[in-house]
Amino acid sequence: GAVVSQHPSWVICKSGTSVKIECRSLDFQATTMFWYRQFPKQSLMLMATSNEGSKATYEQGVEKDKFLINHASLTLSTLTVTSAHPEDSSFYICSANGQNQPQHFGDGTRLSIL
Amino acid sequence: GQNIDQPTEMTATEGAIVQINCTYQTSGFNGLFWYQQHAGEAPTFLSYNVLDGLEEKGRFSSFLSRSKGYSYLLLKELQMKDSASYLCAVRDINDYKLSFGAGTTVTVRA
Repeated sequence: GAVVSQHPSWVICKSGTSVKIECRSLDFQATTMFWYRQFPKQSLMLMATSNEGSKATYEQGVEKDKFLINHASLTLSTLTVTSAHPEDSSFYICSANGQNQPQHFGDGTRLSIL
Repeated sequence: GQNIDQPTEMTATEGAIVQINCTYQTSGFNGLFWYQQHAGEAPTFLSYNVLDGLEEKGRFSSFLSRSKGYSYLLLKELQMKDSASYLCAVRDINDYKLSFGAGTTVTVRA
């Protein structure tokens, strides 16, 4: 069964809306979670590393004020896309791994901004 | 960082065997992963190698040689549902980040 749960799986909303995506580790505690974005027919692109109890680490070129990450507990990280625009439409995927365990992915969130 | 190379596409017949090679260069190695990704879906974990040698899990096996910076994923008794993209990824020892290859699209034909 799934070890990482991601919600919602699909979001369609108007331009200017803020959208929150949740990522939960189900059977383990994850001090670190990762957020990726994937455009059609392209590889996964790491956006940021979510650290429990501290600030997220963003990859170069990713706007931290645009993509707010909160990792308030050992089992939950959230990504908020603020004031979303059509160019933010993409497939967002989170992942997590326990101690010395492989990294498992959530089912992804398909975000469509109209 | 890591430079990860894998073939773009491979085609094979149902019931056959296909081997997907992956080479990498890394500054700090903490394991190599193989994932399967069907179109429109998130990646699914297949295998994980941290030591040299072969890991077998049913129809799928993965091999690692750290000295050569080389891995392969072996898919046996191919089924139509195995048509997907297969991603090779290397984990960094310092920050646990995964670096992905571009993926190999495997097409299984009847």
